[in-house]
Amino acid sequence: QTVVTQEPSLTVSPGGTVTLTCASSTGAVTSGYYPHWFQQKPGQAPNSLIYSTTNKHSWTPARFSGSLLGGKAALTLSGVLPEDEADYYCLLYYGGAQVFGTGTRVTVL
Amino acid sequence: QVQLVQSGAEVKKPGASVTVSCKTSGYTFTSYYMHWVRQAPGQGLEWMGIINLSGGTTGYAQKFQGRVTMTRDTSTSTVYMELSSLRSEDTALYYCARSSGWYSIDYWGQGTLVSVSS
Repeated sequence: QTVVTQEPSLTVSPGGTVTLTCASSTGAVTSGYYPHWFQQKPGQAPNSLIYSTTNKHSWTPARFSGSLLGGKAALTLSGVLPEDEADYYCLLYYGGAQVFGTGTRVTVL
Repeated sequence: QVQLVQSGAEVKKPGASVTVSCKTSGYTFTSYYMHWVRQAPGQGLEWMGIINLSGGTTGYAQKFQGRVTMTRDTSTSTVYMELSSLRSEDTALYYCARSSGWYSIDYWGQGTLVSVSS
């Protein structure tokens, strides 16, 4: 069974930078896994931020960016705002199926 | 504007089936795909499967093979997800989410709570 692992929790100061990662149990994550990133706040549906590794939607704030880092997919938040406090999930494509990551809770403190 | 409006909450007994609908508007229905994703209380997101809204072909997560059926009605721009042989572990919020192809999920429905209890 494929497992996609994220940091359980991260804390960042307002105005700071934090990087979330997304690792696959099958090996290095490449662009062929078409990584997605989603933000979810309590009581809300997920909000799509990034698709196909680096691509942003029209509504994605510029402070969010996606990349590949050390064999993992990564989401970097720069100039963090209090409203960025949320759960973040990655999603990887495995040729006919997709698997969500375990999720990272980001606290802005 | 793009809208995905899901059906209301459901309460089911173990062994029953449930059908959740996702009515879409604001775009060309058959040019996209639809994913179904669920989230158990206090847990993470779980990908269930995908349907091509043009041809109706589907792909399901192995965990749900044999128990889930995804269909669409192009005349009403509505997508359906049926889950059978329900058990208590199926209690969750169920979401539909649109994508253009497999790789670009963008809009999400508001979610439908399905509760399974005897």
